[in-house]
Amino acid sequence: QQPVQSPQAVILREGEDAVINCSSSKALYSVHWYRQKHGEAPVFLMILLKGGEQKGHEKISASFNEKKQQSSLYLTASQLSYSGTYFCGTRDPLSSGSARQLTFGSGTQLTVLP
Amino acid sequence: DAMVIQNPRYQVTQFGKPVTLSCSQTLNHNVMYWYQQKSSQAPKLLFHYYDKDFNNEADTPDNFQSRRPNTSFCFLDIRSPGLGDAAMYLCATSSSGLAGLYNEQFFGPGTRLTVL
Repeated sequence: QQPVQSPQAVILREGEDAVINCSSSKALYSVHWYRQKHGEAPVFLMILLKGGEQKGHEKISASFNEKKQQSSLYLTASQLSYSGTYFCGTRDPLSSGSARQLTFGSGTQLTVLP
Repeated sequence: DAMVIQNPRYQVTQFGKPVTLSCSQTLNHNVMYWYQQKSSQAPKLLFHYYDKDFNNEADTPDNFQSRRPNTSFCFLDIRSPGLGDAAMYLCATSSSGLAGLYNEQFFGPGTRLTVL
């Protein structure tokens, strides 16, 4: 089942902060965050692990609330280059197959204006 | 630089005319994925290979097939493209194993398919 992201879109000025949320109806094993610029491939930002450490990228950080089955992505002092669509990807430990595939959220379109 | 390459970047085909999209990787990753992404939507997993093991998503139409002749290459075959198959097709790779559950996916630039 696809995780739900909020907000669907956000517009902010350069230097402002933003928070993007990702919620799942199922228990999560890990949460990935990707950014996709228009016409380009998604690019990995970070991963959050159940009960483990997180990895960060630039001025972007994230949290993972296992009990609430939620993750939030925090963008501080936004830069123009942060514009794009942000997707969370969740991994379900009960998924079939040897590899744990990602289910991507609905996406949040972020626009940073000068 | 190690990377994921997709060819062609743009593909135009006619309704019902078979088409093959290709993906190659120099990362030596054992897992390869094919996603379909329509405008303003999230990537949707079609299938993936774990080494040579093929894993099909339950809702992937039979019209979509895949081949992985070796570790480096993977192909997506659309046997009879319909207008609804017009989309961006993304190939991604990942390493697996014990640490693989925590590893990111590396995406290729995608192939944009147009069906006339």
